[in-house]
Amino acid sequence: DIQMTQSPSSLSASVGDRVTITCRASQYISTYLNWYQQKPGKAPKFLIYAASTLQSGVPSRFSGSGSGTDFTLTISSLEPEDYATYFCQQSYSAPYTFGQGTKLEIK
Amino acid sequence: QVQLQESGPGLVKPSETLSLTCNVSGGSISTFHWTWIRQPPGKGLEWIGYIYYSGSTNYNPSLKSRVTISVDTSKNQFSLNLNSVTAADTAVYYCARLDNSGWNYFEYWGQGTLVTVSS
Repeated sequence: DIQMTQSPSSLSASVGDRVTITCRASQYISTYLNWYQQKPGKAPKFLIYAASTLQSGVPSRFSGSGSGTDFTLTISSLEPEDYATYFCQQSYSAPYTFGQGTKLEIK
Repeated sequence: QVQLQESGPGLVKPSETLSLTCNVSGGSISTFHWTWIRQPPGKGLEWIGYIYYSGSTNYNPSLKSRVTISVDTSKNQFSLNLNSVTAADTAVYYCARLDNSGWNYFEYWGQGTLVTVSS
């Protein structure tokens, strides 16, 4: 199985801050990397696919980059509604696997 | 807008079979892959497996010996059976639709249903 490792596991930031979350794959996955946002008690919401393509309706302050094994999710200017847990997911090969999550908290 | 809704018992006894159904509305179940994902309380996400509308399946090897996913196109729904459950199978179970572009992301999700394994 391909292991996905996110860092940091948790992060405190203020509204307006620029935030970057990193996701590393244990082997090459090209750009088969997706990002999700999950708020407490809710299902994950799909944000980005193919490492950098925003799902329709996702605010442009979200961006993704990377290829191969190293990827990042960046929020350019935090809004109050962005406080959540973020997961990366590799879709290069089954079994599809997720990172352990990064919890973004209010500073 | 596609909507998914999980249903099934919230409590299952150890060694018994967990059975859940996902009803799909707002679109046909045909031409897509449909998947189950679970999340133990306070933990991360685990992909269980998927089924194509034609019936072909792909399961996570970690669960393969205990999992069956089936589809009923006439009812626009698909189901999960997980047998010989233990407390480790306690989780929120989500059904989701896999995109058909080839990028294999989970585009639409159900709200999730908590299944507790306990006697």
